[in-house]
Amino acid sequence: QLQLQESGPGLVKPSETLSLTCTVSGASISSSSYYWGWIRQPPGKGLEWIGIINYSGSTYYNPSLKSPVTISIDTSKNQFSLRLSSVTAADTSVYYCARRGPGRWFDPWGQGTLVTVSS
Amino acid sequence: DIQMTQSPSSVSASVGDRVTITCRASQGISSWLAWYQQKPGKAPKVLIYAASSLQSGVPSRFSGSGSGTDFTLTISSLQPEDFATYYCQQANSFPYTFGQGTKLEIK
Repeated sequence: QLQLQESGPGLVKPSETLSLTCTVSGASISSSSYYWGWIRQPPGKGLEWIGIINYSGSTYYNPSLKSPVTISIDTSKNQFSLRLSSVTAADTSVYYCARRGPGRWFDPWGQGTLVTVSS
Repeated sequence: DIQMTQSPSSVSASVGDRVTITCRASQGISSWLAWYQQKPGKAPKVLIYAASSLQSGVPSRFSGSGSGTDFTLTISSLQPEDFATYYCQQANSFPYTFGQGTKLEIK
């Protein structure tokens, strides 16, 4: 059964870099049929799409994000990662990783991890 | 960016009721629309994809319809486990965008 699990620091200081990793189990991240993505949700608010990456490293990002975003993939570890630079308090959110299927919907999702930006 | 507008933002209903949530896109998105259910403290779960296709394992009381700019999610007979927040998501073009959510509460 496919499962995704986010990991990384729960607290990041303003102006620093937020780094999260999503570990995929139960399927190979190298499948050409799928993209792997990040979505976030500020406490008590709605969902915001951050970006996606495929097995070859092809990426699409949300240009609306104020903090520069980089998503990378490590097929040898069956993981993909998110880096958000120069974060501010507005980047405080629950961050989810998810698989994007050929039909472009996200399923399944990881359980999510809360990242707080605060000094 | 394509704006997704859901209505209502919240709705109160009783077990057994029929409920309809609408989602309007600011421009045509063909059938590139998914619906998600999110319960407190949990990740969203896909219910409907391609506007009207039921995800495997999702009860048949959930249905979706629409294409172009106007879409609906219908729950034919509310069950206690259906009280949650529902989001639509367009995948016609980047950046993907979500509606603001509809909170379904118990009356």
